[in-house]
Amino acid sequence: GENVEQHPSTLSVQEGDSAVIKCTYSDSASNYFPWYKQELGKGPQLIIDIRSNVGEKKDQRIAVTLNKTAKHFSLHITETQPEDSAVYFCAALSGGGGGADGLTFGKGTHLIIQP
Amino acid sequence: DAGVIQSPRHEVTEMGQEVTLRCKPISGHNSLFWYRQTMMRGLELLIYFNNNVPIDDSGMPEDRFSAKMPNASFSTLKIQPSEPRDSAVYFCASSPAARGAFFGQGTRLTVV
Repeated sequence: GENVEQHPSTLSVQEGDSAVIKCTYSDSASNYFPWYKQELGKGPQLIIDIRSNVGEKKDQRIAVTLNKTAKHFSLHITETQPEDSAVYFCAALSGGGGGADGLTFGKGTHLIIQP
Repeated sequence: DAGVIQSPRHEVTEMGQEVTLRCKPISGHNSLFWYRQTMMRGLELLIYFNNNVPIDDSGMPEDRFSAKMPNASFSTLKIQPSEPRDSAVYFCASSPAARGAFFGQGTRLTVV
C-alpha cells in the first residue's frame, strides 16, 4: 500500500516569513495529492490539491509543487500570518483519482507562526 | 451546505459498553470514509464506502468495530465492546468523485 512521509513534524517561523512542508510517497500509481489544515478541536480542512499531470499549483499565499520522478511534493506558504498556525497534513491517493479510494496521510506538521 | 455532520461531538463511556458514532455526509457525495486520529498513529483510514457499499475495511482494527451505510445520507460506526485503547477522535469524511475528502468536526471518544 501507499506510505506517506512528512517533514518536519514541527516548524516555527517568524510572521511574514515563508514556510515549506515536504512529503514523499511510495506508490508511483498515486495521482492526487491534497493538503489539509487542522485547527485545534476541528476536522482537517482541504486547502489545496494537485494532480499528477501538473507540476505546480498556486492559490494566493499557498502553493504546492509536485515532482513525480522523485515522488515528493511540497506545500509553500508565503507571508505567513498568525492564523496560519495549525497542523498541516499531506495525503496521497492511489488509483483512479476519484473519491472512491481512501487517502493515505502523512503524520502532520505543527506550524507555529511567531509574532 | 452544512458540511459533514457527526454526532455526538463527545462521548465518554465505560469499558465494555457499546458505542455508536453517526455521520451525515454532504449531499451528492458518493464516497464516505471513517478515520481515527490519535497522537501516536495520526490519521488512520478505518473503512470507506462508495455508493453505500463498503469497499475496503482493512483498516478496521478488530471485529469489535463495524460500520454501516444504509443509505446515501447516513452512516454509523459501532464499537462493541469498547476498550480504553479505542479512545481517539473519530472523523467521518465524504467526497465527490475526483476530489479530496471533506471532513466532519469529529467525535472525541473516551473509554474509561
